[in-house]
Amino acid sequence: DADVTQTPRNRITKTGKRIMLECSQTKGHDRMYWYRQDPGLGLRLIYYSFDVKDINKGEISDGYSVSRQAQAKFSLSLESAIPNQTALYFCATSDTLGQGVYNEQFFGPGTRLTVL
Amino acid sequence: QQQVKQSPQSLIVQKGGIPIINCAYENTAFDYFPWYQQFPGKGPALLIAIRPDVSEKKEGRFTISFNKSAKQFSLHIMDSQPGDSATYFCAARAAGNKLTFGGGTRVLVKP
Repeated sequence: DADVTQTPRNRITKTGKRIMLECSQTKGHDRMYWYRQDPGLGLRLIYYSFDVKDINKGEISDGYSVSRQAQAKFSLSLESAIPNQTALYFCATSDTLGQGVYNEQFFGPGTRLTVL
Repeated sequence: QQQVKQSPQSLIVQKGGIPIINCAYENTAFDYFPWYQQFPGKGPALLIAIRPDVSEKKEGRFTISFNKSAKQFSLHIMDSQPGDSATYFCAARAAGNKLTFGGGTRVLVKP
């Protein structure tokens, strides 16, 4: 987990506020991902990035935006937070290996976000 | 609509028992099926992964069984220990290394 860090670890905010969650990695991986975890729903992909210039929407991108500031940094923003965005948020990274190989995703420790 | 369905949601076994977690998928384009283990306050960590052309894979006390024709796969934890108490997620990989996760199973192993 120390290779992938997330800040803050916990955040309580109010409806309508802009929030930024940050992720940094020292693994040297090109690929980075943002997920949210909700009870009973597992983890769902919000955005992913293959490199600094390649950012893609995931399964549930509405209400979120991202920025890939460098290979090692990938930030998630909630432009105007709403209560149903209360969740656990995880950043992950992976290498780019050849076909036929599983590119393991390494997860950070998570950020617990509460929107009141 | 979840593309990967996982059951049960929770499981309690005695030490030494064999918890079994089942997953089912629909999308035949998935090409890898990893399992992740998550302890409270931590991010998920890879436990074991299997390709759909392999029917069984073991790593230590963890075994994945895969039934391609039924589009189902399962995790067995042999000789379970209290330290195995965690939440387990099955997942399926699509193009671009994108993972679709099941809903998770909370496993409690009683001493």
